Amino acid sequence: DAGITQSPRHKVTETGTPVTLRCHQTENHRYMYWYRQDPGHGLRLIHYSYGVKDTDKGEVSDGYSVSRSKTEDFLLTLESATSSQTSVYFCATGVQLREQFFGPGTRLTVL
Amino acid sequence: AQSVTQLGSHVSVSEGALVLLRCNYSSSVPPYLFWYVQYPNQGLQLLLKYTSAATLVKGINGFEAEFKKSETSFHLTKPSAHMSDAAEYFCAVKPNYGGSQGNLIFGKGTKLSVKP
Repeated sequence: DAGITQSPRHKVTETGTPVTLRCHQTENHRYMYWYRQDPGHGLRLIHYSYGVKDTDKGEVSDGYSVSRSKTEDFLLTLESATSSQTSVYFCATGVQLREQFFGPGTRLTVL
Repeated sequence: AQSVTQLGSHVSVSEGALVLLRCNYSSSVPPYLFWYVQYPNQGLQLLLKYTSAATLVKGINGFEAEFKKSETSFHLTKPSAHMSDAAEYFCAVKPNYGGSQGNLIFGKGTKLSVKP
């Protein structure tokens, strides 16, 4: 498996606070992705990156922003967390036209 | 737009019975297709993938899937279920045309239970 770590693994926060989740990879993969997983919805793409400083929106990007200043790090920021953003967040990396590799996930609870 | 449909959000089988998890996709061009497995409180792990080579694809843990273009299907099977197969399974499609950034589109998942 690709070396992908996510931090923190668990977080509880309050509505209106900013939250940043970090994804770190050691495989030098060009592409990185942020998904959220909710019961009955499967995985939905939030944002993705196709290179350093190159990012684009996914299916459910409202309320989220991302940054990628280094190949190995991809940050997901919730500028002002809401209860609807309570979810499990997965980072993935990949090479175009091949499979993606997933991190262990971050469970975020917004009270 | 491409989409993936997994029939049945929950499937229950007895240990030793056949496992069949259904996946249908919509695409005008045969895409790349994947099955992932997720054990409780873990990330997703690739089971197998179809990338336009052999239509019958063998994966890990005794699973296999057959790509059927005429039926736009990529069903996952295993001849004999084990208790350790209890997990959630996701089918995913990746567009196979020029200019794609390679984003996966996931089905909503099928939770497999295995009864002793």
